[in-house]
Amino acid sequence: GQNIDQPTEMTATEGAIVQINCTYQTSGFNGLFWYQQHAGEAPTFLSYNVLDGLEEKGRFSSFLSRSKGYSYLLLKELQMKDSASYLCAVRDPSGGSYIPTFGRGTSLIVHP
Amino acid sequence: DAGITQSPRHKVTETGTPVTLRCHQTENHRYMYWYRQDPGHGLRLIHYSYGVKDTDKGEVSDGYSVSRSKTEDFLLTLESATSSQTSVYFCAISESGTGGTLGSPLHFGNGTRLTVT
Repeated sequence: GQNIDQPTEMTATEGAIVQINCTYQTSGFNGLFWYQQHAGEAPTFLSYNVLDGLEEKGRFSSFLSRSKGYSYLLLKELQMKDSASYLCAVRDPSGGSYIPTFGRGTSLIVHP
Repeated sequence: DAGITQSPRHKVTETGTPVTLRCHQTENHRYMYWYRQDPGHGLRLIHYSYGVKDTDKGEVSDGYSVSRSKTEDFLLTLESATSSQTSVYFCAISESGTGGTLGSPLHFGNGTRLTVT
C-alpha cells in the first residue's frame, strides 16, 4: 500500500520562506512530484525528484531523501500569488503500475 | 501548456442518468488518466489508458467506465449517476508511463465540475 502525508494547511508572510513537507511510505519508489493548484484550477507540474538531493528552479526548490521517505518543497521570496494548494505525488511501481499516487495536498495561505 | 481540453466544463444532472465526460489531447501522448478530486481526499485515480483500446482500473473505478477509440480522445462514462459522484473530474496525460530521466509528469486538463442532484 501507499501512505503519503502532508500538512493540511500552512500560513506564511509575503517575502518569507516556507517549507512544505511530504512523507511517504511505499513498497517501491520511482520518483516524487510536486504540483501547484490554485483554487478552481488544474494542478500544474512544479518539480520532479528521483535521486536524493536538492533540485532548484528559481524561487522553488525540492528536496528528496529516499532512505527517510521524505521530501520538501521550499518556496522563497513568497508572493501573494503563491497562495495555492501544493500536492505531493509518489510513483510506486511495486504493484505493477507506475502511476503516481497523490497526497491530500497542503493549502498555503500567504498574507501581507 | 499541454493541449488538453475537457468537456463539458460544468454539468448538473439527475440521479440515475448516464453522463459522459470527454477529454481531448493534441500532444499525441500515449497515456491518459481520469482522476476525481474531492475535499479531504485529494486526487484519486478512476481509470487510465496506456494506448488505443487499452485501459485499466484505478483506485475508485466502481460506477465508472472508459473508452479510448483514438489516441486523442478518452471518454469517462457514469452509467447511472449517483450523488456520491458529485465531484471535480480531471483528465491528465503523460508521454511515458514509467518516468525515465525527466519523470514524464502528468499534465492536467482544466477539469469538469459535475453535480448530481
